[in-house]
Amino acid sequence: QVQLQESGPGLVKPSETLSLTCAVSGYSISSGYYWGWIRQPPGKGLEWIGSIYHSGSTYYNPSLKSRVTISVDTSKNQFSLKLSSVTAADTAVYYCARLDGDPGGYFDYWGQGTLVTVSS
Amino acid sequence: EIVMTQSPATLSVSPGERATLSCRASQSVSSNLAWYQQKPGQAPRLLIYGASTRATGIPARFSGSGSGTEFTLTISSLQSEDFAVYYCQQYNNWPPAAFGGGTKVEIK
Repeated sequence: QVQLQESGPGLVKPSETLSLTCAVSGYSISSGYYWGWIRQPPGKGLEWIGSIYHSGSTYYNPSLKSRVTISVDTSKNQFSLKLSSVTAADTAVYYCARLDGDPGGYFDYWGQGTLVTVSS
Repeated sequence: EIVMTQSPATLSVSPGERATLSCRASQSVSSNLAWYQQKPGQAPRLLIYGASTRATGIPARFSGSGSGTEFTLTISSLQSEDFAVYYCQQYNNWPPAAFGGGTKVEIK
């Protein structure tokens, strides 16, 4: 059973960098699939942030590309998100998920999500 | 960039009745469309991929249809656990993965 778990600070100050990690269990990232981040502002819909392959190949949402970095650590079986210069508009529940596709696809396994609030 | 539009925003249905949810793409996405269910406080759950293939463990009362720009998710007989928000997502033109705005299915 594939399981994903997000971790990171729940509160980030404006203009700083949001950093989250997604630990994967039940499947080796090195075995394949893309892995992605999706966010959901409170009471709103879903927004794809970006995806990464175990080789390090990445795809980012053009609307966030200038501020986003996604990286992978296969030795720890985890991948990470960094979002720079955050504002209140970046307040959201952040989900990590496995993407079934190459590189486009659907998200078949999801983490429980973590709420990140941007506030001073 | 493809825009996904879902309708209606809210659907009021009685338990046991049929629910029909629509998703429209601004340009053709072939059959590269997925549907998700999200309950309050939970992560989305994959229901349908390839426009009509049920994901593992999804009950047969959920069915998807359509191709190109028009898609439908049908819940044949609503159960209490089906009241939730449903999202469609295209993965034909990548990036980005585009989600629809969601349809909330509520108890009538």
